[in-house]
Amino acid sequence: GAVVSQHPSRVICKSGTSVKIECRSLDFQATTMFWYRQFPKKSLMLMATSNEGSKATYEQGVEKDKFLINHASLTLSTLTVTSAHPEDSSFYICSARDRRVGTYEQYFGPGTRLTVT
Amino acid sequence: GENVEQHPSTLSVQEGDSAVIKCTYSDSASNYFPWYKQELGKRPQLIIDIRSNVGEKKDQRIAVTLNKTAKHFSLHITETQPEDSAVYFCAASNAGNMLTFGGGTRLMVKP
Repeated sequence: GAVVSQHPSRVICKSGTSVKIECRSLDFQATTMFWYRQFPKKSLMLMATSNEGSKATYEQGVEKDKFLINHASLTLSTLTVTSAHPEDSSFYICSARDRRVGTYEQYFGPGTRLTVT
Repeated sequence: GENVEQHPSTLSVQEGDSAVIKCTYSDSASNYFPWYKQELGKRPQLIIDIRSNVGEKKDQRIAVTLNKTAKHFSLHITETQPEDSAVYFCAASNAGNMLTFGGGTRLMVKP
């Protein structure tokens, strides 16, 4: 099956610093990637939709200047959490959708656990 | 936008029993309904999905039913096993675009 990788899997950073998370589709091309945030014992909340070669679409309440998304190629999207604060600590998960017509399935990365101290 | 409600939030069953999780959605344009199993600290794993052109789909011990008129869909797990214990999420999407997730169901299968 299709594989999506995410790096790093775990990161601890100090308040005020920035953290970049990478999401890669390893064996397929993804025109669209999605970024989710998941708090403990909660559901996945969509943060933004990332389309290759265009600006990301952010969900209501998500600050685009704080969560910078770059989808530079058909296999890579990055999420940068700028000036991180403890309330940004969460599990961040990306997913990628295969660009082939007629496929609906999204493939999830393993997630990145961010802890801001 | 789409709103997905999921019930129950927790479900405890005896090994060998069946488990049923129900979801409702609000957007009649949604036509793709996947179910995910998530273990603690892991990624969601697709266990079954259904498109709106069918009413039921089965894969071994797992089945999903869809009622488009009522806008609800359900996950059925038969002959539950301890390894089925996890959090299950339903989701809805329009043609594979953004997924809207339900709140999740914590399933506990007691041996």
